[in-house]
Order: sequence, then structure tokens, then C-alpha cells
Amino acid sequence: GENVEQHPSTLSVQEGDSAVIKCTYSDSASNYFPWYKQELGKRPQLIIDIRSNVGEKKDQRIAVTLNKTAKHFSLHITETQPEDSAVYFCAASRVDVGYNKLIFGAGTRLAVHP
Amino acid sequence: GAGVSQSPRYKVAKRGQDVALRCDPISGHVSLFWYQQALGQGPEFLTYFQNEAQLDKSGLPSDRFFAERPEGSVSTLKIQRTQQEDSAVYLCASSPKDREGNEQFFGPGTRLTVL
Repeated sequence: GENVEQHPSTLSVQEGDSAVIKCTYSDSASNYFPWYKQELGKRPQLIIDIRSNVGEKKDQRIAVTLNKTAKHFSLHITETQPEDSAVYFCAASRVDVGYNKLIFGAGTRLAVHP
Repeated sequence: GAGVSQSPRYKVAKRGQDVALRCDPISGHVSLFWYQQALGQGPEFLTYFQNEAQLDKSGLPSDRFFAERPEGSVSTLKIQRTQQEDSAVYLCASSPKDREGNEQFFGPGTRLTVL
């Protein structure tokens, strides 16, 4: 089955710096890759997703890149702010099977220091 | 509108007790998922419903875990004879259509602690 590995497990940056989180997946048939943000004690919330037919997607300060050949994808946050501090999870799924069974990475705890 | 809700938010059970966790998905959402999130880990898939049909239960850890969605809306995850390793946050998520790549909207979770 699918396996998703995520690095680093913790990341500390200064406000205004960029942050990059990387994930690799094992199932070459996976074709949908969402990123979720989870603040302490809160529910996971989708921040961006990408499908396998594109290599990059941006939404304001957030971008995701996908390399299908290498089976890895990355989250890029620019101009980080203290409110970006949270745990970020990547996930992978095969949407061709008719439903969206997400396989998550172990998470990255991002701390943005003022 | 209202998001996904779950109850109770916190549950403490003695080892061997049965528990029932409830999920109220967003109205009209066809797909419903249950995930288990251990401390410091990512959510792990447990089971999937399309309306009232349970189409995938491959992630349920043992036959002590049972889920149902009898009318295609509210779902209940039941754990029989709870054990300490069942301690985790149980997340429910729903999505609007039985279609590929739809966003899953998560509930706040139920934190289960088994003593």
C-alpha cells in the first residue's frame, strides 16, 4: 500500500523567512496530494492541494510543487508569519478508485518566531 | 453553514469498556471517512462510507472496531472492550460528492483516553 514520508519533523524559522516541507510517496499511481494545517487542539484544514497533471500550484504565500518521476512533493511558505505556526501534514491518494482515501505523512511542526 | 461536528469531544474509558463516538457530517455530503490520529502522528484511515454503504473498512485495527451510517448521514464508530492502545484522537471527515479529489472537511475529533 501507499506510504508517505515527511521531513523535517520540526522546523523553526524567523518571521519573514521561507519554510519548505518535503514529502515522498511510494505508490506511483497516487494522483492527488493535499496539504493540511492543524493548529494545536484544532481540526486539520486544507490549505492547498495539487493533482498529478500539474507540476506546481500557488495560492498567495503558499505553493506546492510535484515531481512525479521522483515521487516527491513539497510545500513552500514564503514571508512566514507567527500565525503560520502549526503542524502541517502532507497526504497522498488515488482518486481513480472512486473515493479519496488519504494516506498522511507524520507531520511537520512549524514554529515561526517574531 | 455548520461544519462537521463530533461528540463527545473527550472520552475517558476504563480498559474493557465499550465506547461509541458520533459524527455529524455536513448536510448533503455523500462521503464520510473515519481516521485515527495517535499523539504526534498523522491521521490514519480507518473506514469509508458512501451514503449508508461501508465501502472500505480496511483500516479498522481489529474486529473490536465497528462503524455504521444507517441513514447515510450521522455515523457512529464503536469500539468494544477498549484497550490502552486505542487511546487516540478519532477524526471524522466528510466530502460533498462521491467524486475524485474533493476536499475532505474534518471534524474537531474525539480524544479517547483508555485507562
